[in-house]
Amino acid sequence: GAGVSQSPRYKVAKRGQDVALRCDPISGHVSLFWYQQALGQGPEFLTYFQNEAQLDKSGLPSDRFFAERPEGSVSTLKIQRTQQEDSAVYLCASSFGGDRGRGYTFGSGTRLTVV
Amino acid sequence: AQTVTQSQPEMSVQEAETVTLSCTYDTSESNYYLFWYKQPPSRQMILVIRQEAYKQQNATENRFSVNFQKAAKSFSLKISDSQLGDTAMYFCAFMSPSGYALNFGKGTSLLVTP
Repeated sequence: GAGVSQSPRYKVAKRGQDVALRCDPISGHVSLFWYQQALGQGPEFLTYFQNEAQLDKSGLPSDRFFAERPEGSVSTLKIQRTQQEDSAVYLCASSFGGDRGRGYTFGSGTRLTVV
Repeated sequence: AQTVTQSQPEMSVQEAETVTLSCTYDTSESNYYLFWYKQPPSRQMILVIRQEAYKQQNATENRFSVNFQKAAKSFSLKISDSQLGDTAMYFCAFMSPSGYALNFGKGTSLLVTP
């Protein structure tokens, strides 16, 4: 597609519910990133994929967070047993992979609210 | 880990005026990448301008320019001829050339008034 597409745009979850957030990167982009942006803060790195391989998941805050990209294109970020501190905007970004200095293309994010 | 500091939580400027947003960072590396991203209410992070640390010349993109002071570890963004559409959050970000994660500051909220 022309840009990075994320869905849903908004998600309200009851505490303890599982959620799945989808990211559809730009076609042909090898690298894919997930970031978490708490209210009033800058985005923080969660995880990084190169094609289908998850090369870095050091930013995932707990084992309730899980990300996958099984075919090297669409990615899903799953949060199990959501808690109030998980409320944030989740941003996805992608790039060709060899052009880190050019920055990444971001989607518009999913705003997750846990009640 | 590199840290990025934006000391101005909020700023306001009148339309057509010039405004400068500050950013400082901490690193022991000699080469790296610096970025300014804009985040309007739509939430999409939009790349405004980027700078490679080994380049002496300050980057410029139309009305946007940077003042890169490597020794001072400062990377400020100047917006000339401010427009109402410039109203947004602005984030400064750092990337190590050996890494891939962007380290963001906390952002500056810019309001352009008529």
